[in-house]
Amino acid sequence: GAGVSQSPSNKVTEKGKDVELRCDPISGHTALYWYRQSLGQGLEFLIYFQGNSAPDKSGLPSDRFSAERTGGSVSTLTIQRTQQEDSAVYLCASSQGLVGTDTQYFGPGTRLTVL
Amino acid sequence: KQEVTQIPAALSVPEGENLVLNCSFTDSAIYNLQWFRQDPGKGLTSLLLIQSSQREQTSGRLNASLDKSSGRSTLYIAASQPGDSATYLCAVRRGDSSYKLIFGSGTRLLVRP
Repeated sequence: GAGVSQSPSNKVTEKGKDVELRCDPISGHTALYWYRQSLGQGLEFLIYFQGNSAPDKSGLPSDRFSAERTGGSVSTLTIQRTQQEDSAVYLCASSQGLVGTDTQYFGPGTRLTVL
Repeated sequence: KQEVTQIPAALSVPEGENLVLNCSFTDSAIYNLQWFRQDPGKGLTSLLLIQSSQREQTSGRLNASLDKSSGRSTLYIAASQPGDSATYLCAVRRGDSSYKLIFGSGTRLLVRP
């Protein structure tokens, strides 16, 4: 597959548990993004990676949220001590990271439900 | 702070009709604007990207226009088909070096056979 993949597709967890969401970007894409889509909030930016570094973490809603990217490829978004308001679809996107016509390609998302 | 608004929130049209979706943004200092479609349970598919220096982009039955000075973009869909039913999102990229996309809340389109 040539597209962005995410796992799991669905995750149900209990309040207070930690969860990890995974994103596999398109091969060769240096830029990677995490977004969150929730009812009433629309689609909001969380964090952006260029290579393994994250120059823009401005969208992370709290210190319970963290993300890392290793080898300039796979990224993991971790939510600690989940709360019910964390329930949302978490979307990952990747792009070539070039200035100019830099289209972001999105994965299918992970639907997180916190009970 | 950049805010993106899409009107209408929902639209239902009969097959074959031409239609226009609207997107407005509050800060004209954008780098580019992108239109996406989202099918239920799926991710986003990029439709058209307009650079800030461009006025429009076309792809098949889709035409997107951009008027930076007035903070508006439109997505025109010609001869709509039931397969066009989806949520359409517009997003702007800020005019600085940030790659962040600011999204509107979307227009949910239903094309009736």
